[in-house]
Amino acid sequence: GQQLNQSPQSMFIQEGEDVSMNCTSSSIFNTWLWYKQDPGEGPVLLIALYKAGELTSNGRLTAQFGITRKDSFLNISASIPSDVGIYFCAGQLPRGTYKYIFGTGTRLKVLA
Amino acid sequence: EPEVTQTPSHQVTQMGQEVILRCVPISNHLYFYWYRQILGQKVEFLVSFYNNEISEKSEIFDDQFSVERPDGSNFTLKIRSTKLEDSAMYFCASNFAAADTQYFGPGTRLTVL
Repeated sequence: GQQLNQSPQSMFIQEGEDVSMNCTSSSIFNTWLWYKQDPGEGPVLLIALYKAGELTSNGRLTAQFGITRKDSFLNISASIPSDVGIYFCAGQLPRGTYKYIFGTGTRLKVLA
Repeated sequence: EPEVTQTPSHQVTQMGQEVILRCVPISNHLYFYWYRQILGQKVEFLVSFYNNEISEKSEIFDDQFSVERPDGSNFTLKIRSTKLEDSAMYFCASNFAAADTQYFGPGTRLTVL
C-alpha cells in the first residue's frame, strides 16, 4: 500500500532555531497537508498544499508541495517552546475516496 | 468557527464488550471518516462514508466494526466485541467535498482492559 516516509523521527532544538522536516513517497498525491498534534488531542491542520510546486506560509511555518507530487517539506522558523509536539504530513490520494495517508510523525522538542 | 466534536473523550471497556464512539461532523459536510491512532504510532485510515454508505474501508475495518449515520447530525463507529488491540485514539473527520481538506475531531481515547 501507499506509504509516507517522514523524517526526522524526532529532533531536539534550541529555542530560536529553524526546523526542517520532510515527507517522501513513491506515490503521487493530490494534496499535501501538515498537521500538528499535541498529546491526547486530535491533529490540527497547519498548512494545506494543493498544487505541485506550491509554497505556502502560515506565520513562522512554510511548506512546499514537491514538483514530482511525491514529497513535501515543512519549515518552522525561529522556534518557540509552544512549537513542541508531533508534526504529521498527510497526503491525499488523487482518486477513489481521497483518503489521507499519514506519515509517521516528527516529534519536536524545543529547549528553552 | 464550526468544528468536529466527539464523545466521549475517553472510554474504558472490558474486552468483548461493544462500544459506540460518537462524532458530530461539521453541519454542511457530506463526507465522513474514521481514523485510528495506536499510542505512539501514525494515524491510520479506517473507513469513509458518503450518501449513507461506506465508500472505502481499510483492512483494519473488519466485521467487528460498523458505522452509521443515525440522524442528520451524528456519525458513529461501533466495535462489536472489543479486543485489547483496539485500544487507540479514534478520530472522526469530515469534509464537504471528497477532495477538500478534512477536519478532524479531538478524538476518543478507547482503552480495552
